[in-house]
Amino acid sequence: AVQLVESGGGLVQPKESLKISCAASGFTFSNAAMYWVRQAPGKGLEWVARIRTKPNNYATYYADSVKGRFTISRDDSKSMVYLQMDNLKTEDTAMYYCTAGAAGFDYWGQGVMVTVSS
Amino acid sequence: DIVMTQSPTSMSISVGDRVTMNCKASQNVGSNVDWYQQKTGQSPKLLIYKASNRYTGVPDRFTGSGSGTDFTFTISNMQAEDLAVYYCMQSNSYPPTFGGGTKLELK
Repeated sequence: AVQLVESGGGLVQPKESLKISCAASGFTFSNAAMYWVRQAPGKGLEWVARIRTKPNNYATYYADSVKGRFTISRDDSKSMVYLQMDNLKTEDTAMYYCTAGAAGFDYWGQGVMVTVSS
Repeated sequence: DIVMTQSPTSMSISVGDRVTMNCKASQNVGSNVDWYQQKTGQSPKLLIYKASNRYTGVPDRFTGSGSGTDFTFTISNMQAEDLAVYYCMQSNSYPPTFGGGTKLELK
């Protein structure tokens, strides 16, 4: 069965950095584009970032709200995807989900909470 | 960015009801709309992709339709376990954008 397991969330202060991770299993990770989607408390879903596969040069894409501050990366040898978050703002407080799929976002992790507060 | 406007924002329903919700795109997105279900405290789940295709294992009481800018999601025979927030999302152009959600509540 496909599993996506996020880790690394926590409480940080504004302008600090945090790196969250997602461990994937149950599918051919190296063939799959990977995504991060977030959800602020009590709010809707917001797409954050995408990373494509090696044949697509690991191309990355970002929401305007995080561009220049967040970096998505992957390690195909470990079936891991990461989100490095720098210069965090209070509005980045959210549950961060790792997701992937072929039809749409078929698979979702359980999410990891990131809280940015002084 | 393409704006996805969902309506209504909430609905009070009874078990057995036929439930219909809508999603309107700010520009033509073809058939590139998916529908997700999110129950309280859980991750979203893909129900419908490419406007009208039911995802693997999704009961046939869930249907989607539409193309261009107007899309509809229907639950034909509402069950208690269908209480959730439903989101549409367009994947026609980057960035993918979600609607604000429709919350289903019991009357």
